[in-house]
Amino acid sequence: AQSVTQPDIHITVSEGASLELRCNYSYGATPYLFWYVQSPGQGLQLLLKYFSGDTLVQGIKGFEAEFKRSQSSFNLRKPSVHWSDAAEYFCAVVPGTDKLIFGTGTRLQVFP
Amino acid sequence: AAGVIQSPRHLIKEKRETATLKCYPIPRHDTVYWYQQGPGQDPQFLISFYEKMQSDKGSIPDRFSAQQFSDYHSELNMSSLELGDSALYFCASSSSGGRYSGNTIYFGEGSWLTVV
Repeated sequence: AQSVTQPDIHITVSEGASLELRCNYSYGATPYLFWYVQSPGQGLQLLLKYFSGDTLVQGIKGFEAEFKRSQSSFNLRKPSVHWSDAAEYFCAVVPGTDKLIFGTGTRLQVFP
Repeated sequence: AAGVIQSPRHLIKEKRETATLKCYPIPRHDTVYWYQQGPGQDPQFLISFYEKMQSDKGSIPDRFSAQQFSDYHSELNMSSLELGDSALYFCASSSSGGRYSGNTIYFGEGSWLTVV
C-alpha cells in the first residue's frame, strides 16, 4: 500500500540554524509530492510541491525540498529557521488517485 | 483571493446528537475533499466529490454522509456522534478535472467539532 513516512516526530532547533525534515514515500511510480505546514489551531498551508522536472523545488517562506528518486525521499530544508517556523509539518503524496495521503507529521520547535 | 470557506469554525455537540459541517470551495473548483484530523494525528481522508458525484471514499464511518450541491458547496453530516468524533474537520478543493494532474489542493481552516 502507498504510504508516507516522516521518521522524526519532533525536532528542536535553535533560531538561525539550518533545518531538514525527512520524508520517504512508498509507491511504485513517482507520485505527486507536497509539503504542508500547520500552525497550532490553524489550517494546512501548502509550502511547495513536486510533479516533475527539476528535483529541487523552491517554496514559500524560504523552504525548499529535494526529490531523490533513488531514495524515495522528498526532504524539506531551510537554511536558517525563524521562530515563526515553529509548527507541524506534513509531507503528503497523491499516489495516482486524486486524494492526498499525509505522513504522520513532524513537530518543529524553535528555541531563541 | 477567495479561499475554501468552512462553517462553523467551532461546534460543540453532545453524544448521540447530529452535526452538519459546510464547505464552500474556491470558485471554479470542481472537486471537494473532506478530511478528519484527530488530536495529534495526521489528516485522514474521508470522502471526495467531483462535479457533485462521489469520486472516492476513505475511512468515513457509516454514521457520516456527505454530498455536494448544485452550487458546488458540500456538507458533511454526522449522526449519532461519539466522543471519538471530536476532531478538526478539513474541507479542501481543487480543479482536478476528474483525474488528478497535479493541481494544488487547497485547504480550508477547518471546523473544530467537540463531542461531550
